[in-house]
Amino acid sequence: QQPVQSPQAVILREGEDAVINCSSSKALYSVHWYRQKHGEAPVFLMILLKGGEQKGHDKISASFNEKKQQSSLYLTASQLSYSGTYFCGTEVAGGTSYGKLTFGQGTILTVHP
Amino acid sequence: EAGVVQSPRYKIIEKKQPVAFWCNPISGHNTLYWYLQNLGQGPELLIRYENEEAVDDSQLPKDRFSAERLKGVDSTLKIQPAELGDSAVYLCASSLGRWGTSGYNEQFFGPGTRLTVL
Repeated sequence: QQPVQSPQAVILREGEDAVINCSSSKALYSVHWYRQKHGEAPVFLMILLKGGEQKGHDKISASFNEKKQQSSLYLTASQLSYSGTYFCGTEVAGGTSYGKLTFGQGTILTVHP
Repeated sequence: EAGVVQSPRYKIIEKKQPVAFWCNPISGHNTLYWYLQNLGQGPELLIRYENEEAVDDSQLPKDRFSAERLKGVDSTLKIQPAELGDSAVYLCASSLGRWGTSGYNEQFFGPGTRLTVL
């Protein structure tokens, strides 16, 4: 089942902050975050594992609430280059689901000067 | 380090014609994925390979889609015959999979092939 992202779109001015949320109805092993610019490949930003480990971009932070199966991506002091569509991909815990990501519908982030 | 390579980048065909997409993953990545991305949507998994083995093809429409990954490196995705509804971007991704360290399994995507079926 597809995770749900919110909000669907965000408009910011440079320097402002934003939070993008991703919720799943299933128990998760990991949450992956990607940014995609128009006509380009999704670019890996962050991965958060069940248990608290994470790996990713120096200037972007995220959290994973295991009780709620929710993840949030925090974009602080936004730059023009942050514009794009952000996707979360969720990996369900257990057996044959390892490595299988189900992506949300995306959040469109637009940063203006 | 070279990323995931895909070709062609764009393809326009008429319906009922066959089409093939090629993917070369990052060197050393044992796991390869093919995704379909419709406009304004997130990628949807079509098939996942671990080395030469297709370990998850449950979402691949097998009546018209086929894929192969010979020698566990490059992969080809084929559609025959193509339908109007197949117009989309086809993304290939690769990862270290279960051979990676610490449980991380980040996937790296290629630029995709944009297919237009007329």
